[in-house]
Amino acid sequence: QSALTQPASVSGSRGQSITLSCTGTNSDVGGFDYVSWYQHHPGEAPKLIIYHITNRPSGVSNRFSGSKFGNTASLTISGLQAEDEADYYCGSYSSSSILLFGGGTRVTVL
Amino acid sequence: EVQLVESGGGLVKPGESLRLSCAASGLTLNTAWMSWVRQTPGKGLEWVGRVKSTGGTTDNDALVKGRFTISRDDSKNTLYLQMNNLKSEDSAVYYCTTEGFGYGYHAMDVWGQGTTVTVSS
Repeated sequence: QSALTQPASVSGSRGQSITLSCTGTNSDVGGFDYVSWYQHHPGEAPKLIIYHITNRPSGVSNRFSGSKFGNTASLTISGLQAEDEADYYCGSYSSSSILLFGGGTRVTVL
Repeated sequence: EVQLVESGGGLVKPGESLRLSCAASGLTLNTAWMSWVRQTPGKGLEWVGRVKSTGGTTDNDALVKGRFTISRDDSKNTLYLQMNNLKSEDSAVYYCTTEGFGYGYHAMDVWGQGTTVTVSS
């Protein structure tokens, strides 16, 4: 199965809001509520920031929020801060029982 | 606190084999689903496969094409990834992660620090 589709890069100014998209198919993003988002700073381990489309793990800022419509999931970062500059990956369970990731979106804070 | 520590990475030649280990503390592996994920500069994160708490495994066959095997030693509380017939495109940082441990099904919430595999002649 193909990876999920994410834009390669998104940028925004400090304090702004940005939205990252993650497009799949009826067999993955659209077919299940098991969409997660991960923040990855180079040299560190990825960090789970959203699970089951909209839920935040304990300790994750409420500036991060998730949603889904059809085969596309979205991550919104509100009040963009310098420390939000990182790579963001979406992940989804699929009908073949495997997990799929998107190619990642590099977020740049201007 | 759950901690995962990977080891076993290194430099190998194409066609060679390597076994990665992931030692767990604060978690009994036979009560959790565990996954291996790799990160390459060009392709980002890729899911390699999982072992369920029952011991059953699922591979991302499109990725590993039968060359990789995931296993677990409950007496050592350690997860393994046996990689055979390695190719240059397998060069990556390999992470072990929990899958659905604390935050719902199929969410990878605890990650190790990763171990680097380089395949080059």
